[in-house]
Amino acid sequence: EMQLVESGGTLVQPEGSLRLSCVASGFTFNNYWMDWVRQVPGKGLAWVARINGDASLRSTVDFAEGRFTISRDNAKNTMYLQMNRLRAEDTAVYYCSRGPMDRGVASYHHYGMDVWGQGTTVTVSS
Amino acid sequence: QTVVTQEPSLTVSPGGTVTLTCGSSTGPVTNDHYPYWFQQKPGQAPKTLISDTTNRHSWTPVRFSGSLLGGKAALTLSGAQPEDEADYYCFLSYRGARPEFGGGTKLTVL
Repeated sequence: EMQLVESGGTLVQPEGSLRLSCVASGFTFNNYWMDWVRQVPGKGLAWVARINGDASLRSTVDFAEGRFTISRDNAKNTMYLQMNRLRAEDTAVYYCSRGPMDRGVASYHHYGMDVWGQGTTVTVSS
Repeated sequence: QTVVTQEPSLTVSPGGTVTLTCGSSTGPVTNDHYPYWFQQKPGQAPKTLISDTTNRHSWTPVRFSGSLLGGKAALTLSGAQPEDEADYYCFLSYRGARPEFGGGTKLTVL
């Protein structure tokens, strides 16, 4: 059974840092793009970042540029989101998701998610 | 700033058929946008219903289908069930730009 389990969400002060983790199981982790998606309470979904199978390519949404860094450790089947200089507006549930299979150039602009974690809650408040 | 538009809310009768649409401010939605559709119920994580315009997953009920319709991506629910009441989000890829979610459609089965 394919599964994604996030952890690391907690209450953090403004300007603080946090690292979220996502452990994958049930599929060949390094064959897939992986994404982070967030949802502000009561609002819609927002794509945050993605990383390809061998971690050589990453992209991040504008509001996270320079503050959030996506990474992965294929030996541990784990993806991370390092979040720095957190703001109140970063308060959200953060979901880990599996993207399309990494087919190299053919998949560069092919975004999407088929498997989702249960989410981890980040609250930024003093 | 690219905007992906969905109907804010729709209502369907039990057993009825409803079509949700997903448009793009950049022009017609095509297969090159790889449209995805997600279902989200209160307090739950999203669940992927449709990938790449038309592809159902093993967990997707056959009453859900995806297509392109009039320059938009479309999700059609045929034979609505009470358990289909949820928020539905579409998601589009863009060459040379960041992907975008639509604002979501709140579907009521009544």
